[in-house]
Amino acid sequence: GEDVEQSLFLSVREGDSSVINCTYTDSSSTYLYWYKQEPGAGLQLLTYIFSNMDMKQDQRLTVLLNKKDKHLSLRIADTQTGDSAIYFCAVTTGGGNKLTFGTGTQLKVEL
Amino acid sequence: GAGVSQSPSNKVTEKGKDVELRCDPISGHTALYWYRQSLGQGLEFLIYFQGNSAPDKSGLPSDRFSAERTGGSVSTLTIQRTQQEDSAVYLCASSLERARTNYGYTFGSGTRLTVV
Repeated sequence: GEDVEQSLFLSVREGDSSVINCTYTDSSSTYLYWYKQEPGAGLQLLTYIFSNMDMKQDQRLTVLLNKKDKHLSLRIADTQTGDSAIYFCAVTTGGGNKLTFGTGTQLKVEL
Repeated sequence: GAGVSQSPSNKVTEKGKDVELRCDPISGHTALYWYRQSLGQGLEFLIYFQGNSAPDKSGLPSDRFSAERTGGSVSTLTIQRTQQEDSAVYLCASSLERARTNYGYTFGSGTRLTVV
């Protein structure tokens, strides 16, 4: 089945950029998403990218997609303490009927 | 409603008991999904409902798990004879249509199930 992988932890200093990486196996994935989960909360959709794009920018967020390598990344510019959360990569699978999620990357922002 | 509502938010149950978890999706959302999030794990797909079509049950881990969606709206996930390995956060999500859109899903806050 589809496999989506992420590193488990990332620690950055406030004001620096964070880059969270994700690799996936299903080359037919058409939509790729980044979700944010704060403690005790559900997942919040941050941004998405369609598979025919290689970059999307949305304020402090930049999503890069390398479809050949099946690699997705999320860059957060000027990272703030409020960005501390778990970030999940998700890709459409099963003909678009469902999303397969990665294990999540816990981002810790230090002062 | 304004968001996806799940109840209860926390549930502690004894091993061997049955539990029911409820999800109330956003009004008008035709697709509803159940996922399970275990500590240190990603989200594990359980089941997917789309309109009046037969549900995709391919992610249910055993026949102790079942789910239904009545009237195309509220869904109930039932776990029979709970085991300790069933302890997890159960997340429900809904969307306007199948996931291959820019909508993604809207998630509820989840039900934290603890089996003791």
